[in-house]
Amino acid sequence: KAGVTQTPRYLIKTRGQQVTLSCSPISGHRSVSWYQQTPGQGLQFLFEYFSETQRNKGNFPGRFSGRQFSNSRSEMNVSTLELGDSALYLCASSFPRGGPFSVTQYFGPGTRLTVL
Amino acid sequence: DQQVKQNSPSLSVQEGRISILNCDYTNSMFDYFLWYKKYPAEGPTFLISISSIKDKNEDGRFTVFLNKSAKHLSLHIVPSQPGDSAVYFCAASARDSNYQLIWGAGTKLIIKP
Repeated sequence: KAGVTQTPRYLIKTRGQQVTLSCSPISGHRSVSWYQQTPGQGLQFLFEYFSETQRNKGNFPGRFSGRQFSNSRSEMNVSTLELGDSALYLCASSFPRGGPFSVTQYFGPGTRLTVL
Repeated sequence: DQQVKQNSPSLSVQEGRISILNCDYTNSMFDYFLWYKKYPAEGPTFLISISSIKDKNEDGRFTVFLNKSAKHLSLHIVPSQPGDSAVYFCAASARDSNYQLIWGAGTKLIIKP
């Protein structure tokens, strides 16, 4: 089975621009979560989508948004980029909700976003 | 309020010895715990998990211990190898939180030759 894929792997933008990141989950996985990791920081949860619906949301401003398509692929959008948005953005997928054993998340390689 | 805490930002261990990474939690409703390993500029890789109905789970060189009364779990790596040098994250989930994973801040493990 192919793993979680994220595109692009690297991205350079300037302040004020917007960016869209893409994530394709493992085949059969319906839940997709997004995380931000900045240097020296842990994983900051952005949001989770399941069956095209946002199930959980972290404490990020409204500039950060996402969506999920019927094929479970997900996109994350950041508008009006700020310097502090420079980070590694990680996507993770998991099996459909079915109890605690379905929570294991499998991560993609991440998208490195640099805001100048 | 940090529900999952990894109080050691870093840990240095001699190659071949045992590495013990610790994690504390505050939410007694957590019923599933996971450990992940992360190399720089890569996504975390799932290592091992444990359900709250168990107190130990083994997978090769990796063993996770859960002490529910102390709200503490630990990851033992025996023997430690150079490739184990990475950041290790523990995470926990609870049914009443829709199984959202709550993450610790991570511990950087350095294996010395």
